[in-house]
Amino acid sequence: GESVGLHLPTLSVQEGDNSIINCAYSNSASDYFIWYKQESGKGPQFIIDIRSNMDKRQGQRVTVLLNKTVKHLSLQIAATQPGDSAVYFCAENIGGGADGLTFGKGTHLIIQP
Amino acid sequence: DAGVTQSPTHLIKTRGQQVTLRCSPKSGHDTVSWYQQALGQGPQFIFQYYEEEERQRGNFPDRFSGHQFPNYSSELNVNALLLGDSALYLCASSLDVSMNTEAFFGQGTRLTVV
Repeated sequence: GESVGLHLPTLSVQEGDNSIINCAYSNSASDYFIWYKQESGKGPQFIIDIRSNMDKRQGQRVTVLLNKTVKHLSLQIAATQPGDSAVYFCAENIGGGADGLTFGKGTHLIIQP
Repeated sequence: DAGVTQSPTHLIKTRGQQVTLRCSPKSGHDTVSWYQQALGQGPQFIFQYYEEEERQRGNFPDRFSGHQFPNYSSELNVNALLLGDSALYLCASSLDVSMNTEAFFGQGTRLTVV
């Protein structure tokens, strides 16, 4: 089975609202987690990453939260914009880098005008 | 500075044929990983190349093979194509396995097997 999964296949939010995308992982040994954004016809685009020695990391309009106790990862996007519409994947591996990343199925974020 | 580039962008092959996909990593990157993404699914790790050798492999049959050249570019070969091999094939590059840096993905090659 998959090591990483997502709770919702589709999430619809109003433009300007905040959105939260959740992810659960099952491999306790994973120590590196990444969120990717994938627009139609394009490859995954790196958004933000976090290592297991951190609980929270902030970027520009995005925040990733990691709860190792319950093996849960979330991506918060502030003040969503039409350009945020895409499929969002969480991914994990041991050690970082690009090898052996395990991806979830993805959440399709739809921004309503 | 060019990012990860893949060629071709689209490809149609017949069952049983062989296909070669190509990837040029981001400038300065020396590690290349290949992923298969079926429609509506997340990418699945195929293998990674570093210093011209396969370093790690996912759960894919031997029909999937690869190569890395001295200039760090890479090829993915798939033999005896099956209909189920139809997918978006993604290449990701990063710098130095030991540094565990961020991975950059290319736009992918859309392979259709008929």
